Amino acid sequence: EDQVTQSPEALRLQEGESSSLNCSYTVSGLRGLFWYRQDPGKGPEFLFTLYSAGEEKEKERLKATLTKKESFLHITAPKPEDSATYLCAVPDPWGGYQKVTFGTGTKLQVIP
Amino acid sequence: DTEVTQTPKHLVMGMTNKKSLKCEQHMGHRAMYWYKQKAKKPPELMFVYSYEKLSINESVPSRFSPECPNSSLLNLHLHALQPEDSALYLCASRGRSNQPQHFGDGTRLSIL
Repeated sequence: EDQVTQSPEALRLQEGESSSLNCSYTVSGLRGLFWYRQDPGKGPEFLFTLYSAGEEKEKERLKATLTKKESFLHITAPKPEDSATYLCAVPDPWGGYQKVTFGTGTKLQVIP
Repeated sequence: DTEVTQTPKHLVMGMTNKKSLKCEQHMGHRAMYWYKQKAKKPPELMFVYSYEKLSINESVPSRFSPECPNSSLLNLHLHALQPEDSALYLCASRGRSNQPQHFGDGTRLSIL
């Protein structure tokens, strides 16, 4: 069965303190990896799609990278408004890739 | 603002009530999803509609009944729910199978 694991489970950073979140997967024949941000009581907000090893995407203070076994979400000089739960997800071959497998998420707290 | 709109935002109902959750998207997507999300957990798939036909049902209890009237609309009919069904119910839509799902902001459901 495909596995998607995120670490750490929770991360507390000072404002401006850069760090990285990890998403490792065991899906064979990866057909993309998605990163989402979720604020409390809201739906996940799509951030990035990565399709092949070596690919990188950037948006403001966030940069997502992909290798053959894992993805990183790098946060540079975070601000309190970056506080959220970050989820990664990969398409699941079961059902013709109509569903995705989510990781358990990393809850990020950025302290002023 | 999300491109997937869910109503109502909040719903409180008794265990004998019948209610419906509604979802609408105007992105031309042909796959739509219902998820259930409990606190501190990733979204859990309930149903997938592809081209307005139910294609995946993750063994959800029959007290939840989905309906897809057309490619833009998705309903979830609720009847005789249990307290453990209290959760955030999320709707999502997707284009091609290797593209990300886009989520609404959910309906917070409380069962008394």
